[in-house]
Amino acid sequence: SQQGEEDPQALSIQEGENATMNCSYKTSINNLQWYRQNSGRGLVHLILIRSNEREKHSGRLRVTLDTSKKSSSLLITASRAADTASYFCATPSAGYSSASKIIFGSGTRLSIRP
Amino acid sequence: GAGVSQSPRYKVAKRGQDVALRCDPISGHVSLFWYQQALGQGPEFLTYFQNEAQLDKSGLPSDRFFAERPEGSVSTLKIQRTQQEDSAVYLCASSLDRANTEAFFGQGTRLTVV
Repeated sequence: SQQGEEDPQALSIQEGENATMNCSYKTSINNLQWYRQNSGRGLVHLILIRSNEREKHSGRLRVTLDTSKKSSSLLITASRAADTASYFCATPSAGYSSASKIIFGSGTRLSIRP
Repeated sequence: GAGVSQSPRYKVAKRGQDVALRCDPISGHVSLFWYQQALGQGPEFLTYFQNEAQLDKSGLPSDRFFAERPEGSVSTLKIQRTQQEDSAVYLCASSLDRANTEAFFGQGTRLTVV
């Protein structure tokens, strides 16, 4: 039962270019998170954006949230080889419930070509 | 340690064998999650604890799967009579309080059932 779905499933870009990944979700949420996973490793939290926020920045990362369209985007600027990883969006499964679980999408596999 | 620790990192089990996977969350974290991740897929929710209480076990695929967190810290995921379809990476995550905050993941346990 997936709440979020990332698009595209795979993305290959040249080092230095910007990478944009999108996430669509189904139910109302109070926050959305993005995670990165390097091959064979655990997930690393990148950024959390709350439903009352439209945009958030962290270093080379920019996340937007459009609650009317139930979608979010993750932009990585000036990509580097080390950005090669899978990126997942994650949302609470029960919207505003304090006991809801975090549900992940199937991810975008990003490859940065040197 | 400073992060979430899982052991073992790798486990090979013969079909029908019972296995126990351990998770040491970050000290003081109230919420603890278990996820199952197949190759090339996003993490699939298994179960969620708030302190020692198992609030959601809706993702456990069968009654062969059992999780506990008796003292509200260390958690164990037990799989009885393992089957080949149980082969996956099992991820544990903890967060400071509710499910709607940043989760910190361990490196995972890669289970291979032969």
